[in-house]
Amino acid sequence: RKEVEQDPGPFNVPEGATVAFNCTYSNSASQSFFWYRQDCRKEPKLLMSVYSSGNEDGRFTAQLNRASQYISLLIRDSKLSDSATYLCVVNRMDSSYKLIFGSGTRLLVRP
Amino acid sequence: DAGITQSPRHKVTETGTPVTLRCHQTENHRYMYWYRQDPGHGLRLIHYSYGVKDTDKGEVSDGYSVSRSKTEDFLLTLESATSSQTSVYFCAISVKGPGSPLHFGNGTRLTVT
Repeated sequence: RKEVEQDPGPFNVPEGATVAFNCTYSNSASQSFFWYRQDCRKEPKLLMSVYSSGNEDGRFTAQLNRASQYISLLIRDSKLSDSATYLCVVNRMDSSYKLIFGSGTRLLVRP
Repeated sequence: DAGITQSPRHKVTETGTPVTLRCHQTENHRYMYWYRQDPGHGLRLIHYSYGVKDTDKGEVSDGYSVSRSKTEDFLLTLESATSSQTSVYFCAISVKGPGSPLHFGNGTRLTVT
């Protein structure tokens, strides 16, 4: 089983739609969680951190469910520019605190 | 912009040749990382560094070595390139230390023929 798992998609949605992605992680002791965005042939860029109480940044909402070991990303009022791959990131709870990346969920927003 | 520059941006090389990729940062951050990204695997850690001459292996380190003789430069060397090392390589820095978000360079696309 992978440490971090995501549905690869693609999720194909119309502009203005609300879309949600989930990501599951295997290490129950993980403490840090992030969502990254990666455009085609570009580097990953931090979208937002995920806090225990959930957090919102404009149209984006991130939530953490520790009991079920998943994090989610909700995008409201999708824009064409939201089309990208979204990477889920979890830290590995060993002495290195290395970050483990999911393979990503691809989102396509159509006009 | 975290001031990370990777070079070269693209490289084609032949099987069996050594290849060195360079990552340069301008902000004196202590922690630097090399990842490779392949379809279906996501980003996988090759090696990382926590200071000058302090490096450690990641999960896919076989066939790779690194060096960090200066804070600003982190070099990744493929000792003898193989076709399985065809990939996109990203360098990253950690501004606030382990467990905090990483900032990535714009990548090196390496093809081994």
